[in-house]
Amino acid sequence: GAVVSQHPSRVICKSGTSVKIECRSLDFQATTMFWYRQFPKQSLMLMATSNEGSKATYEQGVEKDKFLINHASLTLSTLTVTSAHPEDSSFYICSARRQGEWDQPQHFGDGTRLSIL
Amino acid sequence: RKEVEQDPGPFNVPEGATVAFNCTYSNSASQSFFWYRQDCRKEPKLLMSVYSSGNEDGRFTAQLNRASQYISLLIRDSKLSDSATYLCVVNEARRALTFGSGTRLQVQP
Repeated sequence: GAVVSQHPSRVICKSGTSVKIECRSLDFQATTMFWYRQFPKQSLMLMATSNEGSKATYEQGVEKDKFLINHASLTLSTLTVTSAHPEDSSFYICSARRQGEWDQPQHFGDGTRLSIL
Repeated sequence: RKEVEQDPGPFNVPEGATVAFNCTYSNSASQSFFWYRQDCRKEPKLLMSVYSSGNEDGRFTAQLNRASQYISLLIRDSKLSDSATYLCVVNEARRALTFGSGTRLQVQP
């Protein structure tokens, strides 16, 4: 069964809306979660690393004021796309790694397909 | 140069064929390696980890050559259900996964 839950799976909204995406680890503690974005026919690109209890680490070119990340507990990280525009339309996927398992594969959420009109 | 490079394909093969995918990575500090499978409009799913000694899981065989920084995946007796994009994935300790752009496989009846 799923070990990482991501919600919502699909969002369609107007330009200028802010959208919040949740990523939960269901049966384990994840001090670190990762947010990826995937445009059509492209690979997953890491946006940011979400650290429980501290600030997220953003990849180069990702605006931290645009993509707000909050990781307030060991099982929940949220990504808020603020004032979304059509160019933000993409597939957003989170992943989580069990605490201490640095060399193990990550568990992915189902992804959120965001469409901004 | 991309950190993880793959042939994008598509590879169009008939059912029952054997197909091989290759991948190279640039960071010699990489510590663990995986193949993921991604179906259209879905999240990636772990197919198998890759070890230096080589490992096999049913019809799938993965190999790692650390000296050449090269990873491979062999699929034998291809099934229609194997049609997907195969992602070569590399991991440095304490960091996020680095994905290749994927190789698309289409198995035809």
